[in-house]
Amino acid sequence: GESVGLHLPTLSVQEGDNSIINCAYSNSASDYFIWYKQESGKGPQFIIDIRSNMDKRQGQRVTVLLNKTVKHLSLQIAATQPGDSAVYFCAEVTSGTYKYIFGTGTRLKVLA
Amino acid sequence: NAGVMQNPRHLVRRRGQEARLRCSPMKGHSHVYWYRQLPEEGLKFMVYLQKENIIDESGMPKERFSAEFPKEGPSILRIQQVVRGDSAAYFCASSPETSAGELFFGEGSRLTVL
Repeated sequence: GESVGLHLPTLSVQEGDNSIINCAYSNSASDYFIWYKQESGKGPQFIIDIRSNMDKRQGQRVTVLLNKTVKHLSLQIAATQPGDSAVYFCAEVTSGTYKYIFGTGTRLKVLA
Repeated sequence: NAGVMQNPRHLVRRRGQEARLRCSPMKGHSHVYWYRQLPEEGLKFMVYLQKENIIDESGMPKERFSAEFPKEGPSILRIQQVVRGDSAAYFCASSPETSAGELFFGEGSRLTVL
């Protein structure tokens, strides 16, 4: 289940289950969104992106859903594996600008 | 094609010393961003640079911090007279242009101030 830690909210899931990580974005003008994965001691890595003319995009085991009406973004990870344990950040930006806005992040813990 | 290279990966400084963090963007990228991250927190924007120009430094403290991205060589984030509160991970990201596209991150430089 979800819990709020000192700073980062944490989502704990059983290995093999699906994970859903949510992100509320702030700027209604944002038209490009990215999910990043950050493992301990490493830099953020790109997972998947979506533009505002889409509401769903699928990758390998990951799906991003975009709801512009409520300014909500979600990342779904199918059949979660131990290697998925990391902090996940969403980022939003408006085309033609450089102002990437990062969410606070969610820590995903995969339980064996 | 090498990714974004940051060095040093770890840097220890005593209070009052200077810290210099370097970032070589991906080949062909002319846009560099610096972010700061405290443990268990998100990425905080510091500065955005293009070659030889600082475009936005609104996230950077006005004193002691400076950044540059010269025509030749890496981007440098410089922190003078470091204090304990400067201890953090500093991440550099690059992109090929100002647009809605992926930012490519380095592995970060972890500064510890004693």
